[in-house]
Amino acid sequence: KAGVTQTPRYLIKTRGQQVTLSCSPISGHRSVSWYQQTPGQGLQFLFEYFSETQRNKGNFPGRFSGRQFSNSRSEMNVSTLELGDSALYLCASSLGTQSPSPLHFGNGTRLTVT
Amino acid sequence: GEDVEQSLFLSVREGDSSVINCTYTDSSSTYLYWYKQEPGAGLQLLTYIFSNMDMKQDQRLTVLLNKKDKHLSLRIADTQTGDSAIYFCADISLGTYKYIFGTGTRLKVLA
Repeated sequence: KAGVTQTPRYLIKTRGQQVTLSCSPISGHRSVSWYQQTPGQGLQFLFEYFSETQRNKGNFPGRFSGRQFSNSRSEMNVSTLELGDSALYLCASSLGTQSPSPLHFGNGTRLTVT
Repeated sequence: GEDVEQSLFLSVREGDSSVINCTYTDSSSTYLYWYKQEPGAGLQLLTYIFSNMDMKQDQRLTVLLNKKDKHLSLRIADTQTGDSAIYFCADISLGTYKYIFGTGTRLKVLA
């Protein structure tokens, strides 16, 4: 079974630009979650989508948005990039049920904002 | 809100046992997970334990859960240099589908 795939692997953007990151979950997984990882703040939860609906949301500004398609693939968009958005963005998929439904992570997209 | 805490660093000698600790505040946690992150990679699921269990063993890994004290630990027997990584514990609350991750413990194994 193929794992979680994130594209692109690396991105360099300029302040003020916008960016879209993509995530393909494991086949059969209906939940996709996004996390931001930085050395200073650790692993921060952005949002979770289940069957095309946002089910959980973290404490990030509205510049961070996401969506999920009918095939469970997900995209994350960041508008008006700031230097502080430089981070590793991780996507994780799961069955989305309670018992048990561990997260399976991709290798991330490393975003650098200059 | 709910919180999960871990110590930041642990250093052990190759061949020794490592014990990584985690405390959590959510009394409705159903499952608790351990993940490993190597440099430049995402998080890899190591093992998990159901909240009504006290212990789970999986090869070199032993998970201990003290539900009364809300304390979780991961013991790695015969630690190898390849075990050097960041280890995260995480829990999920009943009904929320939201995972809460700890800050991660950086394990350094000395040859």
